[in-house]
Amino acid sequence: DTGVSQDPRHKITKRGQNVTFRCDPISEHNRLYWYRQTLGQGPEFLTYFQNEAQLEKSRLLSDRFSAERPKGSFSTLEIQRTEQGDSAMYLCASSWTASPGYTFGSGTRLTVV
Amino acid sequence: EDQVTQSPEALRLQEGESSSLNCSYTVSGLRGLFWYRQDPGKGPEFLFTLYSAGEEKEKERLKATLTKKESFLHITAPKPEDSATYLCAVQWEKKTSYDKVIFGPGTSLSVIP
Repeated sequence: DTGVSQDPRHKITKRGQNVTFRCDPISEHNRLYWYRQTLGQGPEFLTYFQNEAQLEKSRLLSDRFSAERPKGSFSTLEIQRTEQGDSAMYLCASSWTASPGYTFGSGTRLTVV
Repeated sequence: EDQVTQSPEALRLQEGESSSLNCSYTVSGLRGLFWYRQDPGKGPEFLFTLYSAGEEKEKERLKATLTKKESFLHITAPKPEDSATYLCAVQWEKKTSYDKVIFGPGTSLSVIP
């Protein structure tokens, strides 16, 4: 198992464009999480899935953000009509229900210009 | 308001100079406190979970302890490879989702040879 994979590693986009990120969790993990991290801050919770069900969304996740996890495998996070304030590192993590701690991917760094 | 704070914001140590990092939290109904290490450009790497006051965990030069309102990460005789940002995260019981985890802002540790 190669851990949690995220793609792309870096994305530069123009304001107003849509972007989509992908996360492939550890295969036996049933929970998947998306976090956002800005410079000098800890990760902020966005949303999480148990299998294919999206169980919680943060108020940070505005209408422009949507996440999916079809068939309980990989997940995508889409941001529509990007704004400069969306520039951040988007981190994906996965875990097994009863296990402590998450396994994080290396993140996708988004820059909106 | 539930929150997690960490101090100091940054710490610079000489190789071999032991010190401690602090994590304070104000959540009620603690389910677990986690320590992560984050290297630049990478996702956080899970280190420890602590569940109850008085508990201690050790890994190489790191030892984590927990009281009712704070946790300490003690670094004994640090080496330059211990340089990283150390993040504290807290999981607590909530009616809507017991799994929610919030992170502190981190302490950036630099160990000088």
